[in-house]
Amino acid sequence: TQLLEQSPQFLSIQEGENLTVYCNSSSVFSSLQWYRQEPGEGPVLLVTVVTGGEVKKLKRLTFQFGDARKDSSLHITAAQPGDTGLYLCAGAKGNKLVFGAGTILRVKS
Amino acid sequence: NAGVTQTPKFQVLKTGQSMTLQCAQDMNHNSMYWYRQDPGMGLRLIYYSASEGTTDKGEVPNGYNVSRLNKREFSLRLESAAPSQTSVYFCASSDWASWETQYFGPGTRLLVL
Repeated sequence: TQLLEQSPQFLSIQEGENLTVYCNSSSVFSSLQWYRQEPGEGPVLLVTVVTGGEVKKLKRLTFQFGDARKDSSLHITAAQPGDTGLYLCAGAKGNKLVFGAGTILRVKS
Repeated sequence: NAGVTQTPKFQVLKTGQSMTLQCAQDMNHNSMYWYRQDPGMGLRLIYYSASEGTTDKGEVPNGYNVSRLNKREFSLRLESAAPSQTSVYFCASSDWASWETQYFGPGTRLLVL
């Protein structure tokens, strides 16, 4: 059983659509990270959220940390083919990161 | 500035063979990590080194050993490879003060037959 559950596992959408990816847990995390990974490469950090209720924006990407610091969401507005990739959330617990299984996003032009 | 580098990029082993995966970082980070990534399971921590001279087990350490050779280098050794160790292995590093911000290498794809 994953400590961090991501949904959906796979998402295929048309260019211009909006989407939201969720990362849920019953555990509290001191911070939560979102990474993006392209095929054949390592994960690249997009954002870190630390405070419950925190919202961070990165161009068309909006990240939110739940009030109780147990869950997070990533919303992409007007998705583009360049957004295609694997999106991973990771929670900081103790001195380790716990990763979700990831959401594979495919944006079709 | 190369960041985190890993060698080799790809390796095929027979069951029972041994090999060492190499990792180096040029960001002067204190902490280094080894993860494995399997389909549907995300990344799982194998071993980590919080600082030079220390190593600790992660979630899935069985069948692996590590060496923190110096501040820059952290190697992962498979003494007797098994098909269950077929995976993609990632090395990462972080600064002590912000350990949650980890920088990953490009990965080593290992196939054990």
